[in-house]
Amino acid sequence: EVHLVESGGGLVRPGGSLRLSCAASEINFSIYAMCWVRQAPGKGLEWVSGITNSGNGTDYADSVKGRFTISRDNSKNMLYLQMNSLRAEDTAVYYCTVQGLYWGQGSLVTVS
Amino acid sequence: SYEMIQPPSVSVSPGQTARITCSADALSDQYAYWYQQKPGQAPVMLIYKDSKKPSGIPERFSGSTSGTTVTLTIIGVQAEDEADYYCQSTESSGAWVFGGGTKLTVL
Repeated sequence: EVHLVESGGGLVRPGGSLRLSCAASEINFSIYAMCWVRQAPGKGLEWVSGITNSGNGTDYADSVKGRFTISRDNSKNMLYLQMNSLRAEDTAVYYCTVQGLYWGQGSLVTVS
Repeated sequence: SYEMIQPPSVSVSPGQTARITCSADALSDQYAYWYQQKPGQAPVMLIYKDSKKPSGIPERFSGSTSGTTVTLTIIGVQAEDEADYYCQSTESSGAWVFGGGTKLTVL
């Protein structure tokens, strides 16, 4: 069974940085594009960023462009999201997902 | 980016049929996906590419499309189907777009 586990969330001050990680197992990680999706408290789902299977292509929501960086290490089956210049409105549960079919349990980021 | 419009809420009695719609101009040439999310849990994909189902999704869930509107249908709603439902599609760039979500209440 495919397993995705996010880590790295926590409480951070506005303007601070965090790096989220997503560890994937029981999946041929290197052949799949990956995404980060977030959900603010009591709100809907919001796509944050995506990366191609090779890592050569990335895309970002306008709300995080220039502040967040997605990356991956296929040798370690790991996905990352570097979040800089964090704002209160970035407070959310952040999920990593494999094409929407497999999801992690989420990592809470609180900017306050 | 474009907007995907869903009704905020739908209510049905157990055993009835629930239909949740999602509208966006882009849906005429982009696939739609549907997710179910229960409180405190990650989303679960119910439908992909408009009408296909991942393995393990109950038969009572189905997806359909007509022009710029896609519909998630749940035949014979059960109490356990009470949840939030989200449609999702993609932009030509590959970026994902989600609808605002529909809260399904089973009366």
